Amino acid sequence: EVQLLESGGGLVQPGGSLRLSCPASGFSFSSYAMSWVRQAPGKGLEWVSTIGANGVITYYADSVKGRFTISRDSSKKTLYLRMNSLRAEDTALYYCAKLHHTYSYDSNGYYGAFDVWGQGTLVTVSS
Amino acid sequence: EIVLTQSPGTLSLSPGERATLSCRASESVTSGSLAWYQLKPGQAPRLLIYGASTRATGIADRFSGSGSGTDFTLTITRLEAEDFAVYYCHQYGSSPQTFGQGTRVEIK
Repeated sequence: EVQLLESGGGLVQPGGSLRLSCPASGFSFSSYAMSWVRQAPGKGLEWVSTIGANGVITYYADSVKGRFTISRDSSKKTLYLRMNSLRAEDTALYYCAKLHHTYSYDSNGYYGAFDVWGQGTLVTVSS
Repeated sequence: EIVLTQSPGTLSLSPGERATLSCRASESVTSGSLAWYQLKPGQAPRLLIYGASTRATGIADRFSGSGSGTDFTLTITRLEAEDFAVYYCHQYGSSPQTFGQGTRVEIK
């Protein structure tokens, strides 16, 4: 069964850090670009970051650039998101997602639908 | 960035009825790079449509997508109980990729 399972969320104070993890199973993890997408309470979905299949190329939304770092470990089939300098507006349910095999990429980003998602992990930034 | 506007915000329908959801883009979506997702509380989001009109693997044929340029539509021909959920459109043809604000399909 194809599966993504996020963990690592929790309550953190403004300015604090968290690392989210997302182990993958049921597909060839090292062959696909992967992303993080978030949903703030009562809001819509927001793309956060994408990493290429080889783990070298990364892209970030302007709202998190310089504070968040996406990475992956193919030996562990796991996607990560390191979040530093957290703000109240980062409070959200964070999903990891796999890009559909039809994705493409260029110097500005990766372009593809998300065909596999996890159930999300909740990050709350509050004092 | 491309802004996606979904309408209506909420659709109140009965099982068996037809649902028509709209997604309008602030500028043309490159190569029809538009997807639709279904979200239910506590569940992983599910890809329904990609490339504006191609059903994802395992998606029932009562779901269909259409449109091009700036206007896209998701149609559910006969609503079943499990279809009551929130639906989001997503453009992935231009950076940054963006999502609509969602349409809730609720039981009338």
